[in-house]
Amino acid sequence: AQTVTQSQPEMSVQEAETVTLSCTYDTSESDYYLFWYKQPPSRQMILVIRQEAYKQQNATENRFSVNFQKAAKSFSLKISDSQLGDAAMYFCAPRGAQKLVFGQGTRLTINP
Amino acid sequence: EPEVTQTPSHQVTQMGQEVILRCVPISNHLYFYWYRQILGQKVEFLVSFYNNEISEKSEIFDDQFSVERPDGSNFTLKIRSTKLEDSAMYFCASMDREASYEQYFGPGTRLTVT
Repeated sequence: AQTVTQSQPEMSVQEAETVTLSCTYDTSESDYYLFWYKQPPSRQMILVIRQEAYKQQNATENRFSVNFQKAAKSFSLKISDSQLGDAAMYFCAPRGAQKLVFGQGTRLTINP
Repeated sequence: EPEVTQTPSHQVTQMGQEVILRCVPISNHLYFYWYRQILGQKVEFLVSFYNNEISEKSEIFDDQFSVERPDGSNFTLKIRSTKLEDSAMYFCASMDREASYEQYFGPGTRLTVT
């Protein structure tokens, strides 16, 4: 079974600064993917970034990047140059063959 | 850009009533999912569906729940006799193949059981 831990229920950051959201997971699967989803107040689930576990190189998507440490089963999300529109709940979610397993989420507040 | 759609956006029902939540996945996708999110909590997997049968289900998905793909386009979740604790946001998602990167989520149906 997969378990996901997001140890920061809430985080806040000043606009234009950098913030890192942490995630650790446990899985028995050898082949898996890792995702970060953003959920704004509308509650739509929006994919932020993905990482294939077999790739050593950390994924980057514009201002969003990950620090993937496979041996430590750690998958943190770094948001650079934070913008007001980044305010949302962020969920870490590993995926084996099919289902996503979500963490409890981190609520990110951006201070202007 | 293709998207997953869900109807209705909000459904209010009385305890004990049957509800059907509808989803139209992206047309060439083969894998379908239902997740739910009780307000203020994490998103939880309910069921996955492939090749016209359930491929995996969670402990939440008991005999009160069923899924169906009746006509090749819609994907439905039925709750036979709703309970207060079924109040949640229900998300449908679809994926084109098993090795695909992304599950595409619909906007969700907010179910309120009174």
